[in-house]
Amino acid sequence: DSGVTQTPKHLITATGQRVTLRCSPRSGDLSVYWYQQSLDQGLQFLIHYYNGEERAKGNILERFSAQQFPDLHSELNLSSLELGDSALYFCASSVGVSGGSDTQYFGPGTRLTVL
Amino acid sequence: SQKIEQNSEALNIQEGKTATLTCNYTNYSPAYLQWYRQDPGRGPVFLLLIRENEKEKRKERLKVTFDTTLKQSLFHITASQPADSATYLCALARSDSNYQLIWGAGTKLIIKP
Repeated sequence: DSGVTQTPKHLITATGQRVTLRCSPRSGDLSVYWYQQSLDQGLQFLIHYYNGEERAKGNILERFSAQQFPDLHSELNLSSLELGDSALYFCASSVGVSGGSDTQYFGPGTRLTVL
Repeated sequence: SQKIEQNSEALNIQEGKTATLTCNYTNYSPAYLQWYRQDPGRGPVFLLLIRENEKEKRKERLKVTFDTTLKQSLFHITASQPADSATYLCALARSDSNYQLIWGAGTKLIIKP
């Protein structure tokens, strides 16, 4: 158990809908990262928050948004869902601000299926 | 463009032998390189981190090498066990991209008893 929690575990929805994925980082970790993993794309970095502020954006679509709250939990909002958004969404956390030199602890993921 | 390559085909190794996985990169000068293990349907788990000025890092049966001239990292598992079967991901970070990790697609390792 990494100490990172993600809810829900599974999510099935229809095209055009909006969903919110939630992540609680390990106790003491200030950074939260969101990743998307699909079969043909591997692990894709979406966005990084550190202590409530956005630090870096990766391949995040404009239909997607995220935020980190004062209690450090984070939410990833996906809207106008398309079939191609079906994937595993992982949240990871780390102590510091550097994604590269810190160990990232991953949550169990949310499996999103868009029908 | 930046590219990270890992063997896309599964690697089959006999139990007890050393498994060696490769991570090659191009157009990139990483400050850090990390290796993670991922089991099906689960999140990656951190294994080792190596810095650009380090040639080798060890942890128990694991060894990572980092050759910035060849632009390659090798990941070794000695005395491999069936429980080592998983997908192994390499990820690189460089200073001019805010140290965000860029991930390889992973290599599936199968250890046969």
